[in-house]
Amino acid sequence: EVQLVESGGGVVQPGGSLRLSCAASGFSFDAYPIHWVRQVPGKGLEWVSLINGDGDKTFYADSVKGRFTISRDKSKNSLYLQMKTLKSEDSGLYYCAKDAVSGFWSGCLDQWGQGTLVTVSS
Amino acid sequence: QSVLTQPPSASGTPGQRVTISCSGSTSNIERNYVYWYQQLPGTAPKLLIYKNDQRPSGVPDRFSGSKSGTSASLAISGLRSEDEADYYCAAWDDSLSVAFGGGTKLTVL
Repeated sequence: EVQLVESGGGVVQPGGSLRLSCAASGFSFDAYPIHWVRQVPGKGLEWVSLINGDGDKTFYADSVKGRFTISRDKSKNSLYLQMKTLKSEDSGLYYCAKDAVSGFWSGCLDQWGQGTLVTVSS
Repeated sequence: QSVLTQPPSASGTPGQRVTISCSGSTSNIERNYVYWYQQLPGTAPKLLIYKNDQRPSGVPDRFSGSKSGTSASLAISGLRSEDEADYYCAAWDDSLSVAFGGGTKLTVL
């Protein structure tokens, strides 16, 4: 059974940093791209970032480019999102989600975690 | 403001057929596959339709998807109370990102 478990959320002041983690199990971790998607409670989904299976290709939404860094550790079957210079508009529930296609990104997110909540507030 | 455009709300009575539209552009819907996600209250999104019109295992055939040009639609037939949820369309965008719609809240009257 595929499982994605996010952690690392919390309350941080504007301008601060936070690192989110996503522990993956139940599939060949390094074969699949993985995404971060965020959602302000009560609002819609916003794609944040994507990393390929090898970890050498990354993509970001314009809203986070230059501030967020996605990475993955094959030895720990884990995905990370390092967030810096946080703004109030970065607040939300952050989901990690597995891409459905092995070896290449499709944008089809077939498995999702339950999310970790980030609140940026003074 | 979302890249893909969906109506904010839709509704129907049990047994009815409802459709939810999703409008995009050449760089996303027209050139790439469309996906639909269902998000029940308090839960993570779940993949409902992939590659425009394919259903993952376990998704009832009451749910169907279609695409034409820069638009796509999700249809739900035989509406049931448990279908009350938020529905999102999505597509890969040639700008190297995933485009989501703003979501449609479906109410079963």
